Amino acid sequence: VVMTQSPLSLSVTLGQPASISCRSSQSLLYSDGNTYLNWFQQRPGQSPRRLIYKVSNRDSGVPDRFSGSGSGTDFTLKISRVEAEDVGVYYCMQGTHWLLTFGGGTKVEIK
Amino acid sequence: EVQLVQSGAEVKKPGESLRISCKGSGYNFTNYWISWVRQMPGKGLEWMGRLDPSDSYSNYNPSFQGHVTISVDKSISTAYLQWSSLKASDTAIYYCARWDDGLGCWGQGTLVTVSS
Repeated sequence: VVMTQSPLSLSVTLGQPASISCRSSQSLLYSDGNTYLNWFQQRPGQSPRRLIYKVSNRDSGVPDRFSGSGSGTDFTLKISRVEAEDVGVYYCMQGTHWLLTFGGGTKVEIK
Repeated sequence: EVQLVQSGAEVKKPGESLRISCKGSGYNFTNYWISWVRQMPGKGLEWMGRLDPSDSYSNYNPSFQGHVTISVDKSISTAYLQWSSLKASDTAIYYCARWDDGLGCWGQGTLVTVSS
């Protein structure tokens, strides 16, 4: 399953919203009724950190300015008001199909 | 606290063998699959394969099959990634991660540098 993210990079003014799109080449709806779509943040020099699991569930400790939505093959990560600590690369990943695959990443920087 | 702690950075020559480790703590290690993920310098994330610590069953991304081996010693809650013959193109950071509705907990990464 190919995961396609857009845009490749995003330059955002502090306090403004940001949105990242992730599209899959096949539906991510699994036979158990769940959709295993994750979003990760990777700050410079750090390990990836999961923000969102099963499309729209925030991990513990993730600020509520991050939200995930979507279904089937079309997904979105939104940051309602970008803060300086949000700089980094964001990846989507599908875990529905056995060969897990990641999107190519979206680099978020501050304008 | 759930943690995955990986072994330290390695510098190796082409053709050498290597095994890196990932130790889980703060949870029942055998209840969660462990995946390995590669990140080449300046590049994105690539899933390499995964292992079920309860029975050592593993499966691999075809891109890595035959070049790496994933194993486990559940008595010490540790998973391994190993190479029998490294190449310069294996230079990368390698992460282990625990499966829970995705890859929810990640190790700190192990930098492997392969250079003559």
